Amino acid sequence: DTEVTQTPKHLVMGMTNKKSLKCEQHMGHRAMYWYKQKAKKPPELMFVYSYEKLSINESVPSRFSPECPNSSLLNLHLHALQPEDSALYLCASSQVGPNTQYFGPGTRLTVL
Amino acid sequence: QKEVEQNSGPLSVPEGAIASLNCTYSDRVSQSFFWYRQYSGKSPELIMSIYSNGDKEDGRFTAQLNKASQYVSLLIRDSQPSDSATYLCAVINQGYSSASKIIFGSGTRLSIRP
Repeated sequence: DTEVTQTPKHLVMGMTNKKSLKCEQHMGHRAMYWYKQKAKKPPELMFVYSYEKLSINESVPSRFSPECPNSSLLNLHLHALQPEDSALYLCASSQVGPNTQYFGPGTRLTVL
Repeated sequence: QKEVEQNSGPLSVPEGAIASLNCTYSDRVSQSFFWYRQYSGKSPELIMSIYSNGDKEDGRFTAQLNKASQYVSLLIRDSQPSDSATYLCAVINQGYSSASKIIFGSGTRLSIRP
C-alpha cells in the first residue's frame, strides 16, 4: 500500500480565516513533506519533517505553519493567507534518505 | 543553469509509437532519479525510479540512466492516449542525511494523438 491521504480535497478561505490541511500515511515512512504547486509549474518544496522533527524549511512565510503530531500525521496550518497563495498543496512521504517520495492527491486551495 | 532540465514540450507522438522523454541534471553526486506522471489537476504519480547506470524496464516504460553524461530518459512504448500527461523528471542529491530533497525539472507535456 503506497497511499497518502489528504483532507480536504478543496478549500476556499478568506484572507482573515484560519484553516488547516491534513495529511496521513500508514506506510511506516519517517519523512513527510509539504509542497506547493502552481499551474504549469513543478512542485515547490515547503517543509520536510524527519522523525517528526522539522528538517528543512524552504524560507516559507510564517503564515504557513507546519506540525507533525506523530509519525503518521502531518498538518499545515494556514493563517492570513494572500490570494497568491492559491495553489495545489501536496503532501508526500518517504523512507528517510534519498528514497522514493509518494504523493497524496493534494488540496486545491483558493484564497479570496 | 537549472539543476534539472527538461524540454517543456508539448511533445506530440502518434498512438502506438515510442515516446522519448529526456532530462539532464547538473550535480554529479546525484544518486536517485525518478520519473513522475502528472495529469492536469492531479498529483504526481511515480512511474519509474532508477539508481544505477543502464536501463530499467517496467511494462511499457524503460528508464535509462547515464551518470557520466548526467542524463536520464524515459521511453514509453506503444503509446496510448492515456499516456498524455506532464512527465516530471526528479533527482535527489547526496548530502541530506536525514531527509531527501527532490529537485524537479519543469516537466515535459506529452500528447498522444490518435
